[in-house]
Amino acid sequence: DIQMTQSPSSLSASVGDRVTITCRASQGISNSLAWYQQKPGKVPKLLLYAASRLESGVPSRFSGSGSGTDYTLTISSLQPEDFATYYCQQYYTTPWTFGQGTKVEIK
Amino acid sequence: EVQLLESGGGLVQPGGSLRLSCAASGFTFSTYAMSWVRQAPGKGLEWVSAISGSGANTYYADSVKGRFTISRDISKNTLYLQMNSLRVEDTAVYYCAKAHSSGFFHYWGQGTLVTVSS
Repeated sequence: DIQMTQSPSSLSASVGDRVTITCRASQGISNSLAWYQQKPGKVPKLLLYAASRLESGVPSRFSGSGSGTDYTLTISSLQPEDFATYYCQQYYTTPWTFGQGTKVEIK
Repeated sequence: EVQLLESGGGLVQPGGSLRLSCAASGFTFSTYAMSWVRQAPGKGLEWVSAISGSGANTYYADSVKGRFTISRDISKNTLYLQMNSLRVEDTAVYYCAKAHSSGFFHYWGQGTLVTVSS
């Protein structure tokens, strides 16, 4: 199975900050990576897929990059509604696996 | 508008069985793969199982293989998860998700809570 490791597990940031979350796969996944946002008590929401393709309706302050085993999610200017937990997911091969999550909290 | 509505969750004793359902609408059900993803209380997301659009191909996480069975009824636009030999560690909110052909999840249901406890 491909293991997905996110870092950090949590971070504190202020509105307007640039935030970067990293996801590392235990083997190459050829950009078969998605990012989700989950707010407390809510359903996960797809943000990006194919490592860098923005899902329709998602603000452009979210971006993704990476290749091989290392990928990043960047929020260019953190907004109040962005405080949530973020998960990466590889879909290169089954079993599809998620990272453990990164909780973005208000500083 | 895509809608996914899960049902069938509840409290069950260890070793028991439960069948979850997911009623789908707003898209051509037979065209898309579907999945179940679960989330234990206070924990992260775990993919459980997937089924192809036709239902011919199914996939399972090792943690549920041999105990859970995914199926779909195209005539009823409904996805199922038959869960047998349930364990305490199967306690979670189970989400039904519409999968892109590649394997990520565009749409999620609201989830149904399964609690396995004596």
